[in-house]
Amino acid sequence: EIVLTQSPATLSLSPGEGVTLSCRASQVVSGTFLTWYQQKPGQPPRLLIYHTSYRATGIPDRFSGSGSGTDFTLTISRLEPEDFAMYYCQQYTTPQFTFGQGTKLEIK
Amino acid sequence: QVQLVQSGAEVQKPGASVKVSCKASGFSFTAYLIHWVRQAPGQGLEWMGRIAPNDGHLHYSQNFEGRLTVTRDTSTSTVYMELSNLGSEDTAVYYCARERGGTCYFDLWGQGTLVTVSS
Repeated sequence: EIVLTQSPATLSLSPGEGVTLSCRASQVVSGTFLTWYQQKPGQPPRLLIYHTSYRATGIPDRFSGSGSGTDFTLTISRLEPEDFAMYYCQQYTTPQFTFGQGTKLEIK
Repeated sequence: QVQLVQSGAEVQKPGASVKVSCKASGFSFTAYLIHWVRQAPGQGLEWMGRIAPNDGHLHYSQNFEGRLTVTRDTSTSTVYMELSNLGSEDTAVYYCARERGGTCYFDLWGQGTLVTVSS
């Protein structure tokens, strides 16, 4: 089973700042199958980025994804108040889907 | 409206089973895969398994083999997740989620169902 390690666990930032979240895999992951979700308290996850770098419908262009092999990143260029949430990466490699443990983005 | 609507919260005793439903509407039920993902309180997301509604093909996480049963009813566009031999560690919010076949990401999620295991 591929383990995804997200770092840092928690980030404290202010609106307007930029941020890069990291997702590192224990083995090579196909970039086709690397996904990012945002989750707010009491809500289901929301699809942000799929296939490493493609924004889902309705996701603002301040969100971007990149990476390959074992290292992937999610960048938010200018934080808006609604961006403070949990972020999870997810991968699929036969036979399992796995998620990272998440990064919490909190307001400073 | 495109949505997945799940059944309500459950409280079960240790050793019992729970069955959660997920009803699809607003899209072609048989054109997607339906997955189950759970989230223990304050914890991350854990993939459990999925079903292909068109042919019933199943794929379970190794972590749930033998305890998890996923079924579907195409006449009502509903998928069911049954987890048996519950323990306290199974207390979690259970989500169903949709995947367009082969994309390996989940673009629509149900609202979640809290399952509490307590004696």
